[in-house]
Parts: sequence; C-alpha cells; structure tokens
Amino acid sequence: ELKVEQNPLFLSMQEGKNYTIYCNYSTTSDRLYWYRQDPGKSLESLFVLLSNGAVKQEGRLMASLDTKARLSTLHITAAVHDLSATYFCAVGFTGTASKLTFGTGTRLQVTL
Amino acid sequence: DVKVTQSSRYLVKRTGEKVFLECVQDMDHENMFWYRQDPGLGLRLIYFSYDVKMKEKGDIPEGYSVSREKKERFSLILESASTNQTSMYLCASSNFDSYGYTFGSGTRLTVV
Repeated sequence: ELKVEQNPLFLSMQEGKNYTIYCNYSTTSDRLYWYRQDPGKSLESLFVLLSNGAVKQEGRLMASLDTKARLSTLHITAAVHDLSATYFCAVGFTGTASKLTFGTGTRLQVTL
Repeated sequence: DVKVTQSSRYLVKRTGEKVFLECVQDMDHENMFWYRQDPGLGLRLIYFSYDVKMKEKGDIPEGYSVSREKKERFSLILESASTNQTSMYLCASSNFDSYGYTFGSGTRLTVV
C-alpha cells in the first residue's frame, strides 16, 4: 500500500524567511504533484514533476523530485503572507486511471 | 477555462436520508474521482471511474456508491447518510496523461 507522508504538518513562519516542506512516499512512482488549497476552497495545481531530478519554479515556490530517495521538496523563498495555505503533495503511477494518493497536507501560516 | 462543477457548495441532510452529490466536467476527461477531506486525514479516495459505466472502489468505499452514465457526469450516492459522513467532498477529473487532476469547488456535507 502506497503511503505518502508530509512534514511538517503545520508550519508558522515569518515573512521573508525560507523554509522547505518534505514529501516522502513509500513506493517507486513516476509522477508527483503539488497542490495548494486556500481555506474553504478547493485544490489548485501548482507543480507536476515527472522525472528524477525534475525542478519546477513559480515565483517564491520551487519543487524538486528525487525518485531514488522517494522524496519531493517544496521550497519557499522569502515567504509572503499570500502564501498562507495548505499544501498537498500527491503521488501517482502511469496506467492506473491516473489515480493519485495524497499526503496529509502541510498548513502554512506566514505571519507579518 | 476548463471546469469541474459540483452542484452544491453546502448541504445539510438528516441521518438515514439518501444523498446525491453531482459532479460535471467539461474537459472530455476519461477519469473522474470522488474524495473526502477531513482534518488531519488529508484526502481519501472513495470511488473512481475510468470510463462510462465503469467504476472502481477506492480506499474508503463503505457506505457510498457511484454512477457514471455519461462521460461528463459522476455522481456520488450516500445510500443512508450517517453523521460520520459529515465531511468535505471533492470531485476531480483527469485524462490518461501526466497533468494530474482538476478539482471541483467541493461540497461541504453536514449530516444531522
């Protein structure tokens, strides 16, 4: 059974600071995704990582994938309040109806 | 803009009622999914479908059923609602490609 673990589960950080969210998964996978969820809202796609060593960046967020370590990271640079949200990683496999297994989420709170 | 539409944002139902949650996508996606989201538990897959009239159980199918009579519509049915089914329900769709899910806006169901 595939397990996806994120840590930390909750992160409070000051504006301007850097931090990293970790996503570990238990079975070899060929695709990993990061999503963002604002309070009371649904999930929106942030990054799609499809190969070992893949790195994607959007603004202050950068995601990377190490398939050998079964680890993905979401790095936050110089956090701003607008980044406050819950971040989920999800792992999938080719050929299984694109079914994804989600981590429990990391709630990020950026304080002024 | 591509969309996944869930018919209700908020629902309140009584214990024992039969409840229908509707989801429609306009992207001609093959796959559709129902998840429930609970605090501390992340997203858990209830059922998914990879074709019309095809369905597969997810991780927590007990107490639920689904229907997919048309490609664009995937319905989640609570046969006899119970208070432990109070949750946020998220519908998603995808294709057999690498781009992950598109989520609906969610339905917050309260069973009293």
